[in-house]
Amino acid sequence: AIQMTQSPSSLSASVGDRVTITCRASQDVGNDLGWYQQKPGKAPKLLIFAASSLQSGVPSRFSGGGSGTDFTLTISSLQPEDFATYYCLQDYNYPFTFGPGTKVDIK
Amino acid sequence: DVQLVESGGNLIQPGGSLRLSCVDSGFTFSGYSMNWVRQAPGKGLEWVSHISSSGTTYYADSVKGRFTTSRDNAKNSLFLQMNSLRAEDTGVYYCARDSSCGTYRYSCFDSWGQGTLVTVSS
Repeated sequence: AIQMTQSPSSLSASVGDRVTITCRASQDVGNDLGWYQQKPGKAPKLLIFAASSLQSGVPSRFSGGGSGTDFTLTISSLQPEDFATYYCLQDYNYPFTFGPGTKVDIK
Repeated sequence: DVQLVESGGNLIQPGGSLRLSCVDSGFTFSGYSMNWVRQAPGKGLEWVSHISSSGTTYYADSVKGRFTTSRDNAKNSLFLQMNSLRAEDTGVYYCARDSSCGTYRYSCFDSWGQGTLVTVSS
């Protein structure tokens, strides 16, 4: 199975900060990578699919990049509602695998 | 609007069986692939299984041979039959719709249920 890692595992940031989260796959997954946001007690929410395509309704401050094994999720100007945990998911082949998550909290 | 509602979660003893259900309303269920994703208490997300619109299934190594995913398109329902349950199967189980997004139909889990809690403990 493809292993996914994320860095950092957690970060503290302020409203207005630019935040970048990295996801790395143990083998080439092309562009088959999504990013999900999860708030406590809630179901995950799709932010980005195909590595860089913004899901409908998601604010444009979220962007995704990368291909192959290295990917990024960037929040250009962190908003109060963005404090959450973020997960990458490779959907290149089965079994799909999530990264361990990056928790973004308030500095 | 899409609405997925899971049910069937419960407290069950190790070695026992449980069947989860996920019922959709608001979209053409039969045309979509579906997935189960779980989350142990305080832990990250773990993909569990996938079923295509035609019924092809895939599983995580951790549940292969113990869990079975099925669907009843006439009832807009998705199921997860869980056998030989272990303590490490404890968690919230979510069903998620895969909408195959974009021109090249990339996988994307764009709708999720609220989750149902499974607790495996003696």
